[in-house]
Amino acid sequence: NAGVMQNPRHLVRRRGQEARLRCSPVKGHSHVYWYRQLPEEGLKFMVYLQKENIIDESGMPKERFSAEFPKEGPSILRIQQVVRGDSAAYFCASSRGPYNEQFFGPGTRLTVL
Amino acid sequence: AQSVAQPEDQVNVAEGNPLTVKCTYSVSGNPYLFWYVQYPNRGLQFLLKYITGDNLVKGSYGFEAEFNKSQTSFHLKKPSALVSDSALYFCAVRDIVAGNQFYFGTGTSLTVIP
Repeated sequence: NAGVMQNPRHLVRRRGQEARLRCSPVKGHSHVYWYRQLPEEGLKFMVYLQKENIIDESGMPKERFSAEFPKEGPSILRIQQVVRGDSAAYFCASSRGPYNEQFFGPGTRLTVL
Repeated sequence: AQSVAQPEDQVNVAEGNPLTVKCTYSVSGNPYLFWYVQYPNRGLQFLLKYITGDNLVKGSYGFEAEFNKSQTSFHLKKPSALVSDSALYFCAVRDIVAGNQFYFGTGTSLTVIP
């Protein structure tokens, strides 16, 4: 089985552009989580989705950030009008159920110029 | 409030010596506890978890962790460290009573000295 796939691995955007990060969970996993990791910091929870539903988005900024996990296709984390402070590594994880261990993707490193 | 703390940013240990990476947690209900390892420029890899049962949990690569309810701790241990164990280690907790989030610690950088 393939693990969690994320693409692109590296993404460069200029201030004001949009960034779209994709995550394909482990086959059979319907729970997806997004995290942000800043240099020298730990993982910060952003959002938890379960097929077509946002379960918990308490860690996601109210503006410019959105996430979806459609019935078909990957989960998407979308950042509109990016700013330099959005530069970070964004990790996606998936799990079989809400209380199972999470499997992480390799991350997308976003650089905002 | 739910949280997890890793009091040491950095742990150095000589190869062959036992290692301990500390983790304490705070949750309102019974905790689900996890350890993950992150190698440079990689995602996190699952090492082990405690859900219920035996307080000593064995995981991947020879690691184990001991759940101590009275001290609210879940320290990661290995009897004999390898240079290849050098990495960033994250403790995580999930409160099964309140919310669905995983709470991650800030990470402990382990360096095993040859």
